[in-house]
Amino acid sequence: AQKITQTQPGMFVQEKEAVTLDCTYDTSDPSYGLFWYKQPSSGEMIFLIYQGSYDQQNATEGRYSLNFQKARKSANLVISASQLGDSAMYFCALVDQAGTALIFGKGTTLSVSS
Amino acid sequence: KAGVTQTPRYLIKTRGQQVTLSCSPISGHRSVSWYQQTPGQGLQFLFEYFSETQRNKGNFPGRFSGRQFSNSRSEMNVSTLELGDSALYLCASSPDGSPSNQPQHFGDGTRLSIL
Repeated sequence: AQKITQTQPGMFVQEKEAVTLDCTYDTSDPSYGLFWYKQPSSGEMIFLIYQGSYDQQNATEGRYSLNFQKARKSANLVISASQLGDSAMYFCALVDQAGTALIFGKGTTLSVSS
Repeated sequence: KAGVTQTPRYLIKTRGQQVTLSCSPISGHRSVSWYQQTPGQGLQFLFEYFSETQRNKGNFPGRFSGRQFSNSRSEMNVSTLELGDSALYLCASSPDGSPSNQPQHFGDGTRLSIL
């Protein structure tokens, strides 16, 4: 069965520091996609970054980058130069075998202080 | 370009009632997915519609149903409400329903409380 595991319930970081949010996954599909979403306290889910299993390079989007280690089945999100506005819940997600739904981890709450 | 619009934002119902939630996708998006988010179970997939057809369904009882209209707008219905149905219901749209090609864009959600 496909599964996403996020082991850090909460992370605390100061402004301008870098932070890594962990994500491990389990799937038997040779081709798969991984996503990271941000959910502020207001509730909306904001797409951050996508990594395909066959992508040659780790994905990057501005201050967000993915540390993708296929052999270890991990897809950790790295946020560089944290900002107060980064305080939110972060979810790692895997595309399901039907290819149309996302399987989410339990999430990690990131708190950024000044 | 307008985002995904969900109505209403908040809803309070009592046990045994039924409820209908609405989702208008981004213009041009033909796929709409629904997710339930609770503190205990996290985010769980309910179902996905594409061109008025349900293509994928999560592991929820038959009290949860949905439909999609020809303009891609979608509704989900929950009948015989239970206390455990209290949750944030999120709708997401994408052009073709394949997250690997285009990320799903989410609405702000409908927060349903059952008394």
